[in-house]
Amino acid sequence: QKEVEQNSGPLSVPEGAIASLNCTYSDRGSQSFFWYRQYSGKSPELIMSIYSNGDKEDGRFTAQLNKASQYVSLLIRDSQPSDSATYLCAVRRSYIPTFGRGTSLIVHP
Amino acid sequence: DAMVIQNPRYQVTQFGKPVTLSCSQTLNHNVMYWYQQKSSQAPKLLFHYYDKDFNNEADTPDNFQSRRPNTSFCFLDIRSPGLGDAAMYLCATSRTGEGQPQHFGDGTRLSIL
Repeated sequence: QKEVEQNSGPLSVPEGAIASLNCTYSDRGSQSFFWYRQYSGKSPELIMSIYSNGDKEDGRFTAQLNKASQYVSLLIRDSQPSDSATYLCAVRRSYIPTFGRGTSLIVHP
Repeated sequence: DAMVIQNPRYQVTQFGKPVTLSCSQTLNHNVMYWYQQKSSQAPKLLFHYYDKDFNNEADTPDNFQSRRPNTSFCFLDIRSPGLGDAAMYLCATSRTGEGQPQHFGDGTRLSIL
């Protein structure tokens, strides 16, 4: 069974710090990896996608992928209180993604 | 703007009373998905359509049905809602190409009285 594991948290960081969110997956055939942000009571919002090993940067966000270790992470630099949300990792082999249960991030002033 | 629209945003129904949730898209994506999400849990895939082909997840209760009359619209029917069906229902769309992300609607929050 395909599994995507995330620490449920909450991960608490001070404003301005780097938040590091991690995700491991079991399906070695996975080819696409996504990070979604979900505010309480809202739907998931895509913030990053990554397909190749290494780092991908977009503004304050950096996604890191290591397929050999079956590990994908999301770094948020200069964390803001508005970043407080649940971050869902999604892993996809075909067009059916598997979601982790998400990590709750709290950025405190 | 191209988007995924779910209606209604909030739905209250009585125990056992059928309810229909709707989803429409202007993205012209060929895959549409329905998810159920409960508090602090991952979205759970109920079923999806690849064009007109319906694909049901093995553990989706028979109580849940879906229709996709055309590319743009998809419906989730719950024939006899139970208290355990109270959840957020998410519709998503995507293309099938490698690396294509899903685009989510705002969701419908279903409450059962």
